[in-house]
Amino acid sequence: EAGVAQSPRYKIIEKRQSVAFWCNPISGHATLYWYQQILGQGPKLLIQFQNNGVVDDSQLPKDRFSAERLKGVDSTLKIQPAKLEDSAVYLCASSLEARFEQYFGPGTRLTVT
Amino acid sequence: DQQVKQNSPSLSVQEGRISILNCDYTNSMFDYFLWYKKYPAEGPTFLISISSIKDKNEDGRFTVFLNKSAKHLSLHIVPSQPGDSAVYFCAASPNANAGGTSYGKLTFGQGTILTVHP
Repeated sequence: EAGVAQSPRYKIIEKRQSVAFWCNPISGHATLYWYQQILGQGPKLLIQFQNNGVVDDSQLPKDRFSAERLKGVDSTLKIQPAKLEDSAVYLCASSLEARFEQYFGPGTRLTVT
Repeated sequence: DQQVKQNSPSLSVQEGRISILNCDYTNSMFDYFLWYKKYPAEGPTFLISISSIKDKNEDGRFTVFLNKSAKHLSLHIVPSQPGDSAVYFCAASPNANAGGTSYGKLTFGQGTILTVHP
C-alpha cells in the first residue's frame, strides 16, 4: 500500500514570495491533515479536512495561509506571502474516518530567506 | 500553553537495556494517546497507542503505560536496539464528547531524542 506522498521535498524562497505544497493521502483515507513542525518542536496542526470539507482550521494563519482539498483526495497548502518564521517542515497526514492513528508523509522542508 | 510535555529532550541508553520515555499532559479531555517515532528526513511513524480505559498496552518490544490520575504516560522499549535511535513524540487526542471538531485532533509533545549505543 502506497504511503502519503508529498512534494516538493525541499523548497527555498525569499520572504514575501509565495509557495505551494502538494499532498496525496493514502487511498481510502477520508481525513487529511496539514501540520507545521518548527525545529525542536512537535508537529502543530494547521488544518484538518474530512473529505472535501474543513473540520478545523483554528490554527491556520488565514491572512497568509490557505489550503484546499480537491475532490476529497489531493490537497494543496499555500503560503502567500511567506515570512521568515514560516521556515519549518510541513507535514501532511491522513487517516481513516473516526480513527486516531494518522499516517504521515515525508514532509516538505521550507526555508525562507 | 503546552498541553503535552516531554520534559527530557534526549535520552541515551546501551543496547539491550530498557529505554523509558516519559510524557505528561494537562488537558483532562484527552483520552487517547499515541507514540510516534521519527527518523531524520522522514515523517513520523505511528508506533503504539493506548485508550484511557486501559493502563497498559504491549506490542512486541514496546509497552505504553498510562497513569490517568497523574496525567502521565510512558513508553518502554525492551530490549533497546541501535535501530531504535530516533526522535519519539507522544501525542494526545480528546474523546468524541469533546466536540466534533476536536475528535481525532492530535496535540504533540516536543519530542525526545533517543540514542541507543551498540
